Amino acid sequence: DGGITQSPKYLFRKEGQNVTLSCEQNLNHDAMYWYRQDPGQGLRLIYYSQIVNDFQKGDIAEGYSVSREKKESFPLTVTSAQKNPTAFYLCASNSGRFPNEQFFGPGTRLTVL
Amino acid sequence: AQSVAQPEDQVNVAEGNPLTVKCTYSVSGNPYLFWYVQYPNRGLQFLLKYITGDNLVKGSYGFEAEFNKSQTSFHLKKPSALVSDSALYFCAVRDMNDDMRFGAGTRLTVKP
Repeated sequence: DGGITQSPKYLFRKEGQNVTLSCEQNLNHDAMYWYRQDPGQGLRLIYYSQIVNDFQKGDIAEGYSVSREKKESFPLTVTSAQKNPTAFYLCASNSGRFPNEQFFGPGTRLTVL
Repeated sequence: AQSVAQPEDQVNVAEGNPLTVKCTYSVSGNPYLFWYVQYPNRGLQFLLKYITGDNLVKGSYGFEAEFNKSQTSFHLKKPSALVSDSALYFCAVRDMNDDMRFGAGTRLTVKP
């Protein structure tokens, strides 16, 4: 899983709660990404950030928020507005040189109780 | 917009036999293609990529992939499958806008 850590590994949320998923990388990569994985649907991009203090919405950003205050950190908040948040969440990063491959963290499995 | 398709949800092979996991792509401009593997409850691990050059790309764990421009395909292959190769495999494509799109995944099962 390279130099990317995600925590926690498992997370349980009650309906109406906001939760924050952590992603940290020590690869000195500029770009970081959040994906959501559901069975049979592959990976879908939630948010990405190419540089500190800047981020862009992906295909399914509604109900999620992010921040990028430090190069090595890109936390994802799943808000109560996300109606179906139960999924496996993957963080990734890559160096700024195109078209390098992305490196992935081990993932966080979020379950809504 | 670019996309990839993995036409098989499931591939079953016997240990020692060759394996192929199929991927086709659609992209405007030059394709940049990737294969990843995912074991249960883990992140994706990079296997190999095609950027330019030889159509046969060699990667990790004995895997290779064949790029075919006329058929817009990038199939993953291994000459002799191992039980430990059983996992979920993803094909991905990246375009000049730097967006990466993943296929839905193919579950490979290698039986002893």
